[in-house]
Order: sequence, then structure tokens, then C-alpha cells
Amino acid sequence: DAGVIQSPRHEVTEMGQEVTLRCKPISGHNSLFWYRQTMMRGLELLIYFNNNVPIDDSGMPEDRFSAKMPNASFSTLKIQPSEPRDSAVYFCASSPGTSEYQETQYFGPGTRLLVL
Amino acid sequence: KQEVTQIPAALSVPEGENLVLNCSFTDSAIYNLQWFRQDPGKGLTSLLLIQSSQREQTSGRLNASLDKSSGRSTLYIAASQPGDSATYLCAVISAAGNKLTFGGGTRVLVKP
Repeated sequence: DAGVIQSPRHEVTEMGQEVTLRCKPISGHNSLFWYRQTMMRGLELLIYFNNNVPIDDSGMPEDRFSAKMPNASFSTLKIQPSEPRDSAVYFCASSPGTSEYQETQYFGPGTRLLVL
Repeated sequence: KQEVTQIPAALSVPEGENLVLNCSFTDSAIYNLQWFRQDPGKGLTSLLLIQSSQREQTSGRLNASLDKSSGRSTLYIAASQPGDSATYLCAVISAAGNKLTFGGGTRVLVKP
């Protein structure tokens, strides 16, 4: 199993540009999570999906952030327009989804985003 | 709002010593607690998951205990090795909010 795959691994962009982060969950997993990690705030849940449906997006910081899951094997997190304070490591994780409260989440390697 | 705290923030021990990592949480109404390991520049790897009805979980040299009523968990790593050097994070899923809330982590250095 390849695990959770994220792309790109590193992204450097200029303020105001659109950024799209991609995630492929583990095959057969029904729940997908997007997290952001910064030195100041640690790891924060942004949004999670179950069976491709967004269940909780209360962690999404503002309207500049949007996430989609068009099918069971692909999700995107988009930032438009990007700002320097969006610089962070963004993680995608997936879990089997039979009971999202009681399952281990498997994390991808993360995308390190730097907005200049 | 659930808050998770890990003390100390950093820990350095000589190889062979046992490691004791602490985690506390403010809302005892949790579904489970998980311990993760994070290596520099890498993602998180799940180490142990303790359900709210359990008191402890063991895997190899790792043992995690959970005292839900006092809002505490402890991760023990026996006979530490340099390869155990990493950041260890605990996280809980609360009944309210249904989210994984992370502590700030403990950065561990095991010196050969």
C-alpha cells in the first residue's frame, strides 16, 4: 500500500496567487482529513469528509480556503488568494471511516507551503 | 472547548533510559486518545490508540495509559534508543465537536 499521497511536497508562491494542494487517500478509506501545522498553533483540523461529503468545515480559516472531494480517491485544498500567513505544512490523512471516532488516522507526508 | 497540553515541550535522555511523556486534556468526555510520532519534515505515524473504555495499550517497548477522569495520559518508552528521537504528539477525539485535537508535542532527543 502506497499510503496517503500528497502533492506537491513543497510549494513556493507569491502573495495573491492561487494554491492547490492535492491528496490521494489510502484505497478503501472512506474518511479524509485536511490539517494545517504551524509553530504558533500546532496541528489544526481544517475540514474532514466522509464518503466524499464534507462533514465539518468549521476549522477552515476563512473564505479564501476551499476543499473538494470529487471522488473517493482524490481531494483538493485550494487557497485563493494566498497570503504570507498561510505559510505552513498542510497534511492530509485518511481513515477507514467505519467509525471515524474510533479509528487510527493515516497521515500523508505533508505539503510545505511558503507564501512570499 | 477541548485543550490538550503536553509537558515537557522537549526532553533529552541518554540511551537506555526509560522515557515518560505526559499529556493532559481538559474535557474528559472523549471517544479515544492517540499517540503519534513525527520525524522532522515528515508526516505523523500513529503509535497507539486507546479507546475511552480502556486503561492502557501496549506495543513493543511502548505503553500508553489513560486516566479519563483526571484527563491524563502517559506514554512510556522502555530502554530508549537514538532511533526514538522524534516529536511525540497526543491527540483526543472529544464527544463534543468530533474532532482530533492535538497537543503541542514533546520533542525527544535520545543521546547515544
